Amino acid sequence: EAQVTQNPRYLITVTGKKLTVTCSQNMNHEYMSWYRQDPGLGLRQIYYSMNVEVTDKGDVPEGYKVSRKEKRNFPLILESPSPNQTSLYFCASSLSLGTGGLGYTFGSGTRLTVV
Amino acid sequence: ILNVEQSPQSLHVQEGDSTNFTCSFPSSNFYALHWYRWETAKSPEALFVMTLNGDEKKKGRISATLNTKEGYSYLYIKGSQPEDSATYLCALPFFNKFYFGSGTKLNVKP
Repeated sequence: EAQVTQNPRYLITVTGKKLTVTCSQNMNHEYMSWYRQDPGLGLRQIYYSMNVEVTDKGDVPEGYKVSRKEKRNFPLILESPSPNQTSLYFCASSLSLGTGGLGYTFGSGTRLTVV
Repeated sequence: ILNVEQSPQSLHVQEGDSTNFTCSFPSSNFYALHWYRWETAKSPEALFVMTLNGDEKKKGRISATLNTKEGYSYLYIKGSQPEDSATYLCALPFFNKFYFGSGTKLNVKP
């Protein structure tokens, strides 16, 4: 089954404790991205990757890191989480940026709470 | 940053009503427009990818149109059903980034 696998679904952590949210896709998609969703603010792009070893900042990258060492994996790293990073996170992948394929396939989401 | 606006913010209709909502965007540098359906406690799912001015797409009772010259797209739902209740998002790629509107939340009452 074509899918984006994102883990964990729920995570409660303490301020400053490094964490990684994993994301893996099995569709050979080139474009992958991380979003956070906050009430009233919609989906905002954190980082994106056009292909292996090619990553760039979205609109809200502060406090986050990513890597793309293999085409299928795109982990999101919070080196020192803070309470303002409490949010719902989505990983998504797409065959291309816009005109090709069927749009984004989203992971199931990670509800992160930083206390 | 690309300003993507959706209206209305929310909509309450009765089962069987037809409804439509709007996605507005700057008409310059248009590349593509996506529509997504997002049910509560689930992940967004792609409905349509539209690229050409005048494009019309249809999936069952849901259809969409695109006007790139004036910068808008309409999403139509014919004969709304309770299972159509969801937030409908539009999104556009812009210089390698991707921008979502804040969505239209549709509630269909039985």
